[in-house]
Amino acid sequence: KQEVTQIPAALSVPEGENLVLNCSFTDSAIYNLQWFRQDPGKGLTSLLLIQSSQREQTSGRLNASLDKSSGRSTLYIAASQPGDSATYLCAVVSYNTDKLIFGTGTRLQVFP
Amino acid sequence: ETGVTQSPTHLIKTRGQQVTLRCSSQSGHNTVSWYQQALGQGPQFIFQYYREEENGRGNFPPRFSGLQFPNYSSELNVNALELDDSALYLCASSLGAGPATEAFFGQGTRLTVV
Repeated sequence: KQEVTQIPAALSVPEGENLVLNCSFTDSAIYNLQWFRQDPGKGLTSLLLIQSSQREQTSGRLNASLDKSSGRSTLYIAASQPGDSATYLCAVVSYNTDKLIFGTGTRLQVFP
Repeated sequence: ETGVTQSPTHLIKTRGQQVTLRCSSQSGHNTVSWYQQALGQGPQFIFQYYREEENGRGNFPPRFSGLQFPNYSSELNVNALELDDSALYLCASSLGAGPATEAFFGQGTRLTVV
């Protein structure tokens, strides 16, 4: 059974710092991995989608990497801003489920 | 803006009642998936509809049911509501039911059961 873990559960950093959020999954047989942002009480905004054949994806200040063999992904946020404060969720689609399996998220606070 | 819209945004129901949540998929998308997100948890897959047929179901009891309409909008129905059904219900749409397709989520419906 696929399990997705995100560390740390919460993170508080000053504005301007570069930071890394971690995601690990137990079954490396995945189709893709997706990173989402969720503001309090709101829906999910897709940030980056990495297919299993890819190693990384970039969008603006965000860079996500995927190491399928070790079951790990990282989301790198450069020059963090207070507007980046949110919960970041990663999710994988496994061969045996075909559906998104989510981690519990990392709650990020960036203070001025 | 993803184009996936859900209604209502908030809802309060009494235990034992029934509820219907609605989702309009993004233009051109023919697949809708529903997720339940309890407070502090990641979303859990309920079921998926592809071209008006159920296409996969998570570990939820039969009192959770759904429909997809010819315009690909969808409903989630929950009967005999329990207190533990209180959660944020998320709808996601995608183009095709294949596992490699990207999912786009709506803003969710916050259901409170009292």
